Amino acid sequence: NAGVTQTPKFQVLKTGQSMTLQCAQDMNHEYMSWYRQDPGMGLRLIHYSVGAGITDQGEVPNGYNVSRSTTEDFPLRLLSAAPSQTSVYFCASSPRTGGAFSYNEQFFGPGTRLTVL
Amino acid sequence: SQQGEEDPQALSIQEGENATMNCSYKTSINNLQWYRQNSGRGLVHLILIRSNEREKHSGRLRVTLDTSKKSSSLLITASRAADTASYFCATGLFLTGANSKLTFGKGITLSVRP
Repeated sequence: NAGVTQTPKFQVLKTGQSMTLQCAQDMNHEYMSWYRQDPGMGLRLIHYSVGAGITDQGEVPNGYNVSRSTTEDFPLRLLSAAPSQTSVYFCASSPRTGGAFSYNEQFFGPGTRLTVL
Repeated sequence: SQQGEEDPQALSIQEGENATMNCSYKTSINNLQWYRQNSGRGLVHLILIRSNEREKHSGRLRVTLDTSKKSSSLLITASRAADTASYFCATGLFLTGANSKLTFGKGITLSVRP
């Protein structure tokens, strides 16, 4: 299994540009999420999905959109990039056991390092 | 807001020594997890301890949880240079239905000197 894959690894955008960060997992996990990691801030949840067709906002959702049309894929869209969105983005997935997701080990992708100029 | 807060923020030890890292949190939890992140890589799950457990072991790792003090500790015994990484605690809280919340701390940077 490839686990959780993310593309691209690095990206530089200009302010106002849009782009999509790709995330895919081959473990048939129901739960997928996006985090951003900033120095001194730890990981902050952007959006998450508990299954195909179901998404919800996390702690810092503004400026980002997500959709979940399949179990495997969970893309993150930046609508109009801003310098404040310069960060490292991690996608994670987790199986559902016993009706909850936070009980379970989160599997992280390698990250996308995004710079917005 | 951050739920888990790790202490110390940075730790430097000699290879072979034990490393102890602490995590404190503010509200009730259902579980607490520890993750490791090597430089430039994603997070890797190390261990999960449930709120009704007090201690758990995995190889050279020992995790304790004291729900009365709202704190956890991660002990790495006989440290190796390869243990150099950032370590994060994450608190898990079951809300309703399929909803639950996993909140990460800011991390501890561990350096193990050869």
